[in-house]
Amino acid sequence: DGGITQSPKYLFRKEGQNVTLSCEQNLNHDAMYWYRQDPGQGLRLIYYSQIVNDFQKGDIAEGYSVSREKKESFPLTVTSAQKNPTAFYLCASSLGQLMNTEAFFGQGTRLTVV
Amino acid sequence: DQQVKQNSPSLSVQEGRISILNCDYTNSMFDYFLWYKKYPAEGPTFLISISSIKDKNEDGRFTVFLNKSAKHLSLHIVPSQPGDSAVYFCAASGDGTASKLTFGTGTRLQVTL
Repeated sequence: DGGITQSPKYLFRKEGQNVTLSCEQNLNHDAMYWYRQDPGQGLRLIYYSQIVNDFQKGDIAEGYSVSREKKESFPLTVTSAQKNPTAFYLCASSLGQLMNTEAFFGQGTRLTVV
Repeated sequence: DQQVKQNSPSLSVQEGRISILNCDYTNSMFDYFLWYKKYPAEGPTFLISISSIKDKNEDGRFTVFLNKSAKHLSLHIVPSQPGDSAVYFCAASGDGTASKLTFGTGTRLQVTL
């Protein structure tokens, strides 16, 4: 079954700690993305990667870091510099620069800072 | 600055009737639009999309209409079913692809019996 797997589903972090969210896809997609959803808001783009070993900041990249060492994997690290990290994080992938295609989303990781 | 707006946070429709969800955008560079459906604590699932070269796209019970001059799109679901109850997001892209989507804030649809 092809898809996007995010883990863990729920994550708790103490203030001041870094935490890494996993995202793996077996759709052979070139592009991968990280979005954040807050209550009552839409999804906001954190980082995206169009190709292995390359990534760009999205609209709200401050306090986050990513890597794209493999096509299948795009982990997101929420650093202690992120001032309001509690949110629902969604990873997505797509066929990149192919026109009129959609992004496929994982099931999300809910991060809570305690 | 909200470039994609869904001004109705919620909508209630009877089963069998038509559901119309609306979306407005301000960025004239957007040329590709998508609708996603989302259940709580799950990732969004793709429903339907439309390119700016079209004004209508249909897929089964779902039809999306695009009015470029008004910068407005709408999603019609007919007939509405209880399983359609979810939050619906519209999203827009400026390069015809699914890259760097800008999302609206969502409309919660409740289909009642």
